[in-house]
Amino acid sequence: GQNIDQPTEMTATEGAIVQINCTYQTSGFNGLFWYQQHAGEAPTFLSYNVLDGLEEKGRFSSFLSRSKGYSYLLLKELQMKDSASYLCAVMDSNYQLIWGAGTKLIIKP
Amino acid sequence: NAGVTQTPKFRVLKTGQSMTLLCAQDMNHEYMYWYRQDPGMGLRLIHYSVGEGTTAKGEVPDGYNVSRLKKQNFLLGLESAAPSQTSVYFCASSAGYSNQPQHFGDGTRLSIL
Repeated sequence: GQNIDQPTEMTATEGAIVQINCTYQTSGFNGLFWYQQHAGEAPTFLSYNVLDGLEEKGRFSSFLSRSKGYSYLLLKELQMKDSASYLCAVMDSNYQLIWGAGTKLIIKP
Repeated sequence: NAGVTQTPKFRVLKTGQSMTLLCAQDMNHEYMYWYRQDPGMGLRLIHYSVGEGTTAKGEVPDGYNVSRLKKQNFLLGLESAAPSQTSVYFCASSAGYSNQPQHFGDGTRLSIL
């Protein structure tokens, strides 16, 4: 079967750095997406990786290793507004997104 | 620019009732999707559409029907609501199917009693 694994919850301090990991086992791979979802709101797109390596976008970076079935989202200079759930999703061989359950990130002052 | 708009935002139904969830997008996207989101689980695809007049089943299609009569609208119907269909429903759209991100509506919170 297809599976996306992420930690359920993480806690970090304002101003610090946090890394949210995602491992996947899917039938085929056509890219990996990260989304942010604040409580009670819609998911919003953060990043897309299809090739191995690091993609940087401001305070957020996303890394992919296709051989290891592994990705991480790195958030720097954490702000209180970064408190949210972070969803990892993999596009499989049928070009359908398989979603992880999400990682709830709690930022403490 | 509204993006993806879902109506209603909240609804309470009794078991056996039917209803239609409406989704409209103003980005001229070809692809539209209906997901449900349940606690502790990832988003699950119910049905999707790759263009006007087309629909296809996703991972959890039973008990739902959809229609895409106009490019900008994607309707999700519950034929005979069951308590197991209590969930948050999200509609999304995308310009393409591979590297294009999906844009989500604000969700419909549906409770079936």
